[in-house]
Amino acid sequence: NAGVTQTPKFRILKIGQSMTLQCTQDMNHNYMYWYRQDPGMGLKLIYYSVGAGITDKGEVPNGYNVSRSTTEDFPLRLELAAPSQTSVYFCASNRRPGQGGIEAFFGQGTRLTVV
Amino acid sequence: TQLLEQSPQFLSIQEGENLTVYCNSSSVFSSLQWYRQEPGEGPVLLVTVVTGGEVKKLKRLTFQFGDARKDSSLHITAAQPGDTGLYLCAGGEGSSNTGKLIFGQGTTLQVKP
Repeated sequence: NAGVTQTPKFRILKIGQSMTLQCTQDMNHNYMYWYRQDPGMGLKLIYYSVGAGITDKGEVPNGYNVSRSTTEDFPLRLELAAPSQTSVYFCASNRRPGQGGIEAFFGQGTRLTVV
Repeated sequence: TQLLEQSPQFLSIQEGENLTVYCNSSSVFSSLQWYRQEPGEGPVLLVTVVTGGEVKKLKRLTFQFGDARKDSSLHITAAQPGDTGLYLCAGGEGSSNTGKLIFGQGTTLQVKP
């Protein structure tokens, strides 16, 4: 049972470089999310998608881009990396929210350092 | 903007003690989720509460959703070292048909043997 898989697990970027964080899920979930986690700050939503071809901004989208060409994959693109993007990034997915609340499944995270 | 204030941020206790973690907001949430996160891992869902006043129990953990659906608490009875970790509350934003979650800052719990 793979669930939500993120790659890479660790990455060091130089200021101004670009990279793509990969996220794939095998649960056939339409809803997918990217969060970043900074110490003492909980998780903040970057972008989300409610289905293939549909994406929208979250609370902290600046400096990031996403695409959703398939149900399974939701990559996060960092253009012109900045030290402020040093963080741990989590991808999550869930079924359409219903009466039972939101049961989100998270990947193991990508720890990114920008130097 | 909906916010969730979680307290305390840090808790260090001895094995066998009881503890309560609080999650408070001035906003109404459609649901409230509690997650536990181990170092180097993603959050794992413990429970979801959706009805005001709802109480759910998971072995030694008791979760409560406030009557007005603005706050929640997590109570652990007779804590064990295996309970050590980061506990996060998360509220379903707005009408929550998008599934977006608003997270509290987290409570780092250390249970010493």
